[in-house]
Amino acid sequence: AQKITQTQPGMFVQEKEAVTLDCTYDTSDPSYGLFWYKQPSSGEMIFLIYQGSYDQQNATEGRYSLNFQKARKSANLVISASQLGDSAMYFCAMREVPNRDDKIIFGKGTRLHILP
Amino acid sequence: KAGVTQTPRYLIKTRGQQVTLSCSPISGHRSVSWYQQTPGQGLQFLFEYFSETQRNKGNFPGRFSGRQFSNSRSEMNVSTLELGDSALYLCASSSGSRTGGYGYTFGSGTRLTVV
Repeated sequence: AQKITQTQPGMFVQEKEAVTLDCTYDTSDPSYGLFWYKQPSSGEMIFLIYQGSYDQQNATEGRYSLNFQKARKSANLVISASQLGDSAMYFCAMREVPNRDDKIIFGKGTRLHILP
Repeated sequence: KAGVTQTPRYLIKTRGQQVTLSCSPISGHRSVSWYQQTPGQGLQFLFEYFSETQRNKGNFPGRFSGRQFSNSRSEMNVSTLELGDSALYLCASSSGSRTGGYGYTFGSGTRLTVV
């Protein structure tokens, strides 16, 4: 079963608009971490934001915020005031902590295109 | 603080050959993980090394192997290359703590093309 689901393969958004990238996850572990990474065309994976399962508040990092809805197992990334440089692939990921397999599982990604 | 360094950045190999990729983690990080990224399969976990020991392994054939040295630098080897091994290989370093909530820092990747 897929543990991380990103239902939007691609999105087109006008510059300066806000963007929401969807992510749902599946785990039976009460302790886990959720991440979002950005991958520009250069290939490097850039860490954006982290949310722990026990965190009381939604994580924010500058223009990025994570809309964490634990009961729905949803961890959407919100980018406010989008910029042309935001065009990239975005990956949602999860680490189950503690777990036997210490690895981060990634979704298939969403390709975001920001239009001028 | 230097980031994660992967070498080489690009590689072209012929079917049947073998290849070795290198990854130097962030100073002080003891865990190195390797991922294969292809358009069809996305990001797939290969293996993780922590303090020179393979701590975790993904579902890849034995042609894929790795090791880690005492300075935490890691190498990944693929023998008897197949066309399907063409991919971006990403290395990530972390402190390796299993109780921490932090993710990985990735390198820029090695893009391998098998012809």
